Amino acid sequence: ETGVTQTPRHLVMGMTNKKSLKCEQHLGHNAMYWYKQSAKKPLELMFVYSLEERVENNSVPSRFSPECPNSSHLFLHLHTLQPEDSALYLCASSQVPLGHANTGELFFGEGSRLTVL
Amino acid sequence: GQQLNQSPQSMFIQEGEDVSMNCTSSSIFNTWLWYKQDPGEGPVLLIALYKAGELTSNGRLTAQFGITRKDSFLNISASIPSDVGIYFCAGHLENDMRFGAGTRLTVKP
Repeated sequence: ETGVTQTPRHLVMGMTNKKSLKCEQHLGHNAMYWYKQSAKKPLELMFVYSLEERVENNSVPSRFSPECPNSSHLFLHLHTLQPEDSALYLCASSQVPLGHANTGELFFGEGSRLTVL
Repeated sequence: GQQLNQSPQSMFIQEGEDVSMNCTSSSIFNTWLWYKQDPGEGPVLLIALYKAGELTSNGRLTAQFGITRKDSFLNISASIPSDVGIYFCAGHLENDMRFGAGTRLTVKP
């Protein structure tokens, strides 16, 4: 079983739809992250959860809403998205959160490719 | 925020050739990391460097943490077709982690 799994792998949605991305980590890690990956751009950190508490929100629009019900699961709820939100959304986990003697080593899922029409 | 400048943006090489890519920053980092992303997959950690001047190898891959703590390079020797993908550098300092925009590597058999 892979360390970090994301579903769905592909999602096409209209601007008025509500959908959710799911991430599950099987590594016993204590921190989880959502990143946005657009072509030819650096990965953009969106949200960080440490021990199920949100510790960072990098000025992400409110149409993206994260949820972390426990240390193994992370969701990204999507509502009223724009076409420019089309991207690959990557979930990652780390043993300890950034800033807590963290080595910077992240374990990524395979990503959810989102297309907003 | 601080940006990482990764170059080259893309490379087209022949199988068997060596590859070199680098990353520079205007600020220092405590850790430099190199990730590879295969098509349709998420990034996977290749090498992590924790000390200025450190030179670390992982098979045909060699990476160095620059002595100024503001740069790092990754070399791939004797490239093979499965080296195809996007290589990302990342710099880490306390609770901040930055990624480069990636180097897209194409290997022609």
